[in-house]
Amino acid sequence: DAGITQSPRHKVTETGTPVTLRCHQTENHRYMYWYRQDPGHGLRLIHYSYGVKDTDKGEVSDGYSVSRSKTEDFLLTLESATSSQTSVYFCAIGQGAGEQYFGPGTRLTVT
Amino acid sequence: KNEVEQSPQNLTAQEGEFITINCSYSVGISALHWLQQHPGGGIVSLFMLSSGKKKHGRLIATINIQEKHSSLHITASHPRDSAVYICAVRSNTGNQFYFGTGTSLTVIP
Repeated sequence: DAGITQSPRHKVTETGTPVTLRCHQTENHRYMYWYRQDPGHGLRLIHYSYGVKDTDKGEVSDGYSVSRSKTEDFLLTLESATSSQTSVYFCAIGQGAGEQYFGPGTRLTVT
Repeated sequence: KNEVEQSPQNLTAQEGEFITINCSYSVGISALHWLQQHPGGGIVSLFMLSSGKKKHGRLIATINIQEKHSSLHITASHPRDSAVYICAVRSNTGNQFYFGTGTSLTVIP
């Protein structure tokens, strides 16, 4: 299994508060991705990174920002959480053209 | 608009049955992936295909590039195969992945 962890695994927060989710890998993969998974939708890409300090937006990036200051860590920040951001968040890693390996997920509830 | 459509959405089978899950996509792709998501939520990659057919144990995945269609087959199904199976495609115009909404499979003993 690819070495990929997410923290926290569960979080409940209030509307308007900032939240940061962390993805950590030990595989030295170049690409890292943040997805959200909601009922009735497939996994949807929020942001991805193709190298340290290199990031790009996905299809549902509004309200989210990311940072990657080192290869192994990819942070997802909700600047001011809203109830519509209640979701399960998955991080994934990959080498580009090949497979993606998924983290265990973070269940976020915004009340 | 969904770039990836899966059918059926839900599937219940008796242990031992042959199962087929279908995936159709509307974009140009460089590869198609089949993923398995267990009830606990973890997602595991089963196959990556760009042409033809691949087999791993009781699982077989096929792809027809011209028809933009892929199938995942499970032979001699077992209750431990119960999971959500997700089809995903990698666009050939960038680093974008598109995911189907998944097929929920339940195999009854």
